[in-house]
Amino acid sequence: DAKTTQPPSMDCAEGRAANLPCNHSTISGNEYVYWYRQIHSQGPQYIIHGLKNNETNEMASLIITEDRKSSTLILPHATLRDTAVYYCIVRVVDQGGKLIFGQGTELSVKP
Amino acid sequence: NAGVTQTPKFRVLKTGQSMTLLCAQDMNHEYMYWYRQDPGMGLRLIHYSVGEGTTAKGEVPDGYNVSRLKKQNFLLGLESAAPSQTSVYFCASTPDVIVKTQYFGPGTRLLVL
Repeated sequence: DAKTTQPPSMDCAEGRAANLPCNHSTISGNEYVYWYRQIHSQGPQYIIHGLKNNETNEMASLIITEDRKSSTLILPHATLRDTAVYYCIVRVVDQGGKLIFGQGTELSVKP
Repeated sequence: NAGVTQTPKFRVLKTGQSMTLLCAQDMNHEYMYWYRQDPGMGLRLIHYSVGEGTTAKGEVPDGYNVSRLKKQNFLLGLESAAPSQTSVYFCASTPDVIVKTQYFGPGTRLLVL
């Protein structure tokens, strides 16, 4: 079973920040939060990951609450090409580090 | 660097036929995975491998077999295809299980009639 819950869909205006929430209340201390996205049924694309500190890279920022029970992915200036399904994933160490996908959030960026 | 490649891209099978899906990676990664994705769903792990010569079951292994005879290749076999195996299959690889991301291939679309 997925260890995360996300809203099924969200809209965002082009050029604005997209804030995608994720709950992972049962996360263990050594489990990382990963974010991937999938565009048009292509292979999932890695975005960012973190353990307990906030992280930023060229694509996005990841804000993790102090209790680690939730996180938010921020796309600072969304473009039409950011329209995709975004998956928040808790990476388990057993079973070879598998990724447990939930149903994700379908983000629609509108002009 | 081609990354992770999958062969074929698309295939149609009749019920009961067999086939093998090939995943190849040129990044010298130890860990490889096979996932399936059904419409409107997230990916589910079928089988995985933690190194050459090893394989293990994931969440939905029934009806599939795998082999990892060479480090760079991970094969997924369907011995007797069923309509329930109609899906998109993704392969992934990673150098470690905690902090390094999994790199995904482009997928194989399989239709079983």
